[in-house]
Amino acid sequence: DSGVTQTPKHLITATGQRVTLRCSPRSGDLSVYWYQQSLDQGLQFLIQYYNGEERAKGNILERFSAQQFPDLHSELNLSSLELGDSALYFCASSVARHRGFTDTQYFGPGTRLTVL
Amino acid sequence: SQKIEQNSEALNIQEGKTATLTCNYTNYSPAYLQWYRQDPGRGPVFLLLIRENEKEKRKERLKVTFDTTLKQSLFHITASQPADSATYLCALDQSNTGKLIFGQGTTLQVKP
Repeated sequence: DSGVTQTPKHLITATGQRVTLRCSPRSGDLSVYWYQQSLDQGLQFLIQYYNGEERAKGNILERFSAQQFPDLHSELNLSSLELGDSALYFCASSVARHRGFTDTQYFGPGTRLTVL
Repeated sequence: SQKIEQNSEALNIQEGKTATLTCNYTNYSPAYLQWYRQDPGRGPVFLLLIRENEKEKRKERLKVTFDTTLKQSLFHITASQPADSATYLCALDQSNTGKLIFGQGTTLQVKP
């Protein structure tokens, strides 16, 4: 158990819909990362937040957005869903004391999103 | 363009042998490199981190090497066991960006 929690575990929805994935980092970790993992793309970095602020951005679609709240939990919002958005979505957390420093990341169990 | 390459073919070995997995990269200058293990349907689990000024790092039956000239890391599991069967991912930092970029992973199958 990494100490990172994600809800829900599974999500089935239809194209065009909007969903919210939730992540709680390990106690004491200030940084949260979101990844998308599909069979053909591998683990793709989406976005990082540090202590409530966006710190780094990957290939995140405009239809996707995220935020980190004062209690450090994070939410990833996916809207106008398409079939191709079906994937495992992982959240990870780390201490990330220094700006630009990427340290060990602890991953949650993931949310499996299926878009029908 | 920047690339991280791991052998996409599964590696099948006999229990007790040493497994060696390769991670090659191009157009990166990482300050360090990490290896993770991922079991099907689960999140990656951190195994080892090696810095650019370290040639080798060990942890129990695991050994990682990092050659910044060759732009390559090797990951070894000695005395492999069926429980070591999993996908192993290498990951590089993109310096000063906070991003960790993962390879596609190599699946290791250890047969009893």
